[in-house]
Amino acid sequence: EVQLVESGGGLVQPGRSLRLSCAASGFTFDDYAMHWVRQAPGKGLEWVSGISRSSSAIAYADFVKGRFTISRDYTKNSLYLQMNSLRIEDTALYYCARDYFPSGPYYYIPDKWGQGTLVVVSS
Amino acid sequence: EIVLTQSPGTLSLSPGERATLSCWASQTISNNYLAWYQQKPGQAPRLLIHGASSRATGIPDRFSGSGSGTDFTLTITRLEPEDFAVYYCLQYERSPRTFGQGTKVEIK
Repeated sequence: EVQLVESGGGLVQPGRSLRLSCAASGFTFDDYAMHWVRQAPGKGLEWVSGISRSSSAIAYADFVKGRFTISRDYTKNSLYLQMNSLRIEDTALYYCARDYFPSGPYYYIPDKWGQGTLVVVSS
Repeated sequence: EIVLTQSPGTLSLSPGERATLSCWASQTISNNYLAWYQQKPGQAPRLLIHGASSRATGIPDRFSGSGSGTDFTLTITRLEPEDFAVYYCLQYERSPRTFGQGTKVEIK
């Protein structure tokens, strides 16, 4: 069974940093691209970032570009999101998601999702 | 980036009725790289449709997707009680990926 478990969320002041982690199990991590998607309280879904199987293709939403960095560790079957210069508007539930298409060279669409980790940016 | 606009914002229907949800793109999605998701309160989203019209694994056939170019539609032929939820479209034609703002299907 595919399992994605996010961690690392919490309360942080504006301008500070936070690192989210996502532990993956139940599938061959190397075979799938991965995504981060967020959802502010009571709001819609926002795609944040995606990373291909080999980490050669990476992209970010404009609203996090230059502040957030996605990465993955194949030895630990884990996905990460380093978030710097956090803003109040970054407050959201952050989901880690596995891509739908195995073995593709790119990142495509989120399919299997974790339950999310809540990030609250407030002074 | 490609902006997706969904309509209506809310759809009030009864179980057994047909639901038609629309998603318009600000630029042509030439490869039909358009997906649909369902999200229920307190749950993660579930992928329903990819490639504009292909059902994801395990999705019942009452869900169907259609459209091309800039106009896409999700149809639920006969609403079941568990189908009342919020639905989002997502384009994967270009980066960054973008979601529509969502359509809530509520019980009338």
